[in-house]
Amino acid sequence: SQQGEEDPQALSIQEGENATMNCSYKTSINNLQWYRQNSGRGLVHLILIRSNEREKHSGRLRVTLDTSKKSSSLLITASRAADTASYFCATDRGSTLGRLYFGRGTQLTVWP
Amino acid sequence: NAGVMQNPRHLVRRRGQEARLRCSPMKGHSHVYWYRQLPEEGLKFMVYLQKENIIDESGMPKERFSAEFPKEGPSILRIQQVVRGDSAAYFCASSPARGGTNNEQFFGPGTRLTVL
Repeated sequence: SQQGEEDPQALSIQEGENATMNCSYKTSINNLQWYRQNSGRGLVHLILIRSNEREKHSGRLRVTLDTSKKSSSLLITASRAADTASYFCATDRGSTLGRLYFGRGTQLTVWP
Repeated sequence: NAGVMQNPRHLVRRRGQEARLRCSPMKGHSHVYWYRQLPEEGLKFMVYLQKENIIDESGMPKERFSAEFPKEGPSILRIQQVVRGDSAAYFCASSPARGGTNNEQFFGPGTRLTVL
């Protein structure tokens, strides 16, 4: 079964607007990661946030983690058409074996 | 500084043939993971290997699928007697360390397998 569950499943916004995507999970974790996938391409790593961290920034990206609610959010500020992609969260379910568990993703479309 | 490399990028096979997918991890990475992605789905873990060792193959189908990561050369995911349901994108990822709080994995571009 999927560990991460992203919502919404699809999001359409205009350039310049902010995009917020959410991820929920069910078990304890060591860390949570967000990835981007352009259509027909591989995954690009965006941010890793550890279980003892609450917020992390990278450029226009802001990730929050609430372990009490078992949820995370990815905020993209001032979105661009080039941000159009699928965004996935992945967790390790608390294992140190290394395998990641992915959700189904949020398909973000940014209109120029 | 090349990233994770996979080949071929696209592979077409007829039912019953064998598919061999190759993955070269990033330089300095000794941990390799294989994932499968069906259309409109997230990635699903298949197998985790280190050099010459299979660490976790709990996501691999019991039959027809095998993986190896020899001392020299790329990691190989082998699918024997392919069926249409094997059509998917297969991604390889590598990391410098095993699991834990810094388990950042770097993904290759994937191999898209189509079974006719």
